[in-house]
Amino acid sequence: DTEVTQTPKHLVMGMTNKKSLKCEQHMGHRAMYWYKQKAKKPPELMFVYSYEKLSINESVPSRFSPECPNSSLLNLHLHALQPEDSALYLCASSQDPAGGKTQYFGPGTRLLVL
Amino acid sequence: GENVEQHPSTLSVQEGDSAVIKCTYSDSASNYFPWYKQELGKGPQLIIDIRSNVGEKKDQRIAVTLNKTAKHFSLHITETQPEDSAVYFCAASIGTNAGKSTFGDGTTLTVKP
Repeated sequence: DTEVTQTPKHLVMGMTNKKSLKCEQHMGHRAMYWYKQKAKKPPELMFVYSYEKLSINESVPSRFSPECPNSSLLNLHLHALQPEDSALYLCASSQDPAGGKTQYFGPGTRLLVL
Repeated sequence: GENVEQHPSTLSVQEGDSAVIKCTYSDSASNYFPWYKQELGKGPQLIIDIRSNVGEKKDQRIAVTLNKTAKHFSLHITETQPEDSAVYFCAASIGTNAGKSTFGDGTTLTVKP
């Protein structure tokens, strides 16, 4: 099973709302990632969790708050977002955080901020 | 940091023809080069990858070649089919640079029936 699942598939939120994106994998992977992807662009790395600890934060604004409750789950908490934050948010996982490991992507959550 | 350039940005081929997408990278320390296919409304899916100790890898109709000296790698799709239509991304990463892959800007491949 090489599946990464993400919920919800679509999300519309106002700039004052608080919402969360969820990601789950059951491959025993110990590294999990959040990416942001704008239309017709490659994915941009936001956060990396290594063995449930935040290891990389690519200078992401504090209105995005990641959380890794356990080795299978990854959340992205959203608060006070801006319209320019509208994008496809992708979760990925890999066996471990060392470079050169295959990353498996979920289908993404398409977020629209009004 | 690493820079990956991908060409062409769009590619249109007739069904049954071959398609080639090329990427160049800047950091000679990069040693892992995956290719992803992203269909509309879906996340990127790994289709093939190659490591720096290998020059070529093939999986049915898909092959990847790597030239470490020239710092470029290419995706070759033979006998293209309409279902190959998608956006393809190349990427490069360094074994010691945990979690960070640099992606190319993508190639939109259209296979005409």
